[in-house]
Amino acid sequence: DTAVSQTPKYLVTQMGNDKSIKCEQNLGHDTMYWYKQDSKKFLKIMFSYNNKELIINETVPNRFSPKSPDKAHLNLHINSLELGDSAVYFCASSLAGVGEQYFGPGTRLTVT
Amino acid sequence: GNSVTQMEGPVTLSEEAFLTINCTYTATGYPSLFWYVQYPGEGLQLLLKATKADDKGSNKGFEATYRKETTSFHLEKGSVQVSDSAVYFCAFDTGANSKLTFGKGITLSVRP
Repeated sequence: DTAVSQTPKYLVTQMGNDKSIKCEQNLGHDTMYWYKQDSKKFLKIMFSYNNKELIINETVPNRFSPKSPDKAHLNLHINSLELGDSAVYFCASSLAGVGEQYFGPGTRLTVT
Repeated sequence: GNSVTQMEGPVTLSEEAFLTINCTYTATGYPSLFWYVQYPGEGLQLLLKATKADDKGSNKGFEATYRKETTSFHLEKGSVQVSDSAVYFCAFDTGANSKLTFGKGITLSVRP
């Protein structure tokens, strides 16, 4: 019973392509997040949705567009991929107002 | 602004050594404090938490005490094992938008 799942686990693509990462949680949480982790393990929040509504939008290029079709799903679409987008992207979920977040296994994106 | 400062890494210890990883925070209000652990190739997992001053969080032999007077939440373990090798993140949540502020993370390697 995977709590927070992401697909794909690995994604290798060329510069300029468009790609999507999907996330699903079965914990009944109402808030979901996307994080980017760089090669030095630094973790940066990108977006957060609460009940399908965007509540956190950090300084992220417009090429990144999140979409939440329902409370259990949060997808991340990336246009015109660049070398600097190479990283591990983590999805997480929580209950609003409760700090504890549950993380997915990550998607390692490599842009060549 | 809000921030978390973790001691610089990486840290390498021999099995059964004592571990301390320092963490201090700068935040308004009374945040909840967390330690997350990331094992190689995996997502972050909550290790322990404390929600108010003088609370002690504990799990898997790890402990941390919420020290409001020093704004610290140092992680300790009396006897580390090889399986504790991972990246450790200190974080806090002020309740605003359910956002967690993470430290930079520190890599711990335990030698047999």
